[in-house]
Amino acid sequence: GQQLNQSPQSMFIQEGEDVSMNCTSSSIFNTWLWYKQDPGEGPVLLIALYKAGELTSNGRLTAQFGITRKDSFLNISASIPSDVGIYFCAGHNTGNQFYFGTGTSLTVIP
Amino acid sequence: NAGVTQTPKFRVLKTGQSMTLLCAQDMNHEYMYWYRQDPGMGLRLIHYSVGEGTTAKGEVPDGYNVSRLKKQNFLLGLESAAPSQTSVYFCASTRRRSSYEQYFGPGTRLTVT
Repeated sequence: GQQLNQSPQSMFIQEGEDVSMNCTSSSIFNTWLWYKQDPGEGPVLLIALYKAGELTSNGRLTAQFGITRKDSFLNISASIPSDVGIYFCAGHNTGNQFYFGTGTSLTVIP
Repeated sequence: NAGVTQTPKFRVLKTGQSMTLLCAQDMNHEYMYWYRQDPGMGLRLIHYSVGEGTTAKGEVPDGYNVSRLKKQNFLLGLESAAPSQTSVYFCASTRRRSSYEQYFGPGTRLTVT
């Protein structure tokens, strides 16, 4: 299957700091999605991106669809304790399948 | 509106036993998916369905079967469980092909001893 590489694998930050993470692929995608997963729960969709170069915000979260269509970025501004969790990227192309990254684990230290 | 629900939430099986995981959605979504999540490997697609009565293989289909007899339900079966199938299983759905917003269920944690 297609591999999506997420970095960093884990992050430990102070409350109030900004966070940046990215996702890269060897293949082109037409859609990029970002999810957050809390312990013991299913992933929850945060942001969907449908066009190369697109920049979309959802509250303190901002995500970008890379120009090459092989990468995407997620930024979280002014982190708070409830931002703790695992963040996943996912890519979708013209087929029926979604391909997920391995996740970035975020820990926010109060 | 419950969204996507999964039954059961936890299960322990012995090697060779069979079981069925049930996924139900009340959003009238066309597409449904079964994933497994293992540590360090993200989510991997097992099988999916683009509509009632249709199913297709995903990335890791071996050892699993599925059925979509009703639009709102998607069943995942393990005929003869193996320890390698110990995982957390997630069901997801999307409205239709042009909408790529997947909604996930809470997961089923399966342990095969």
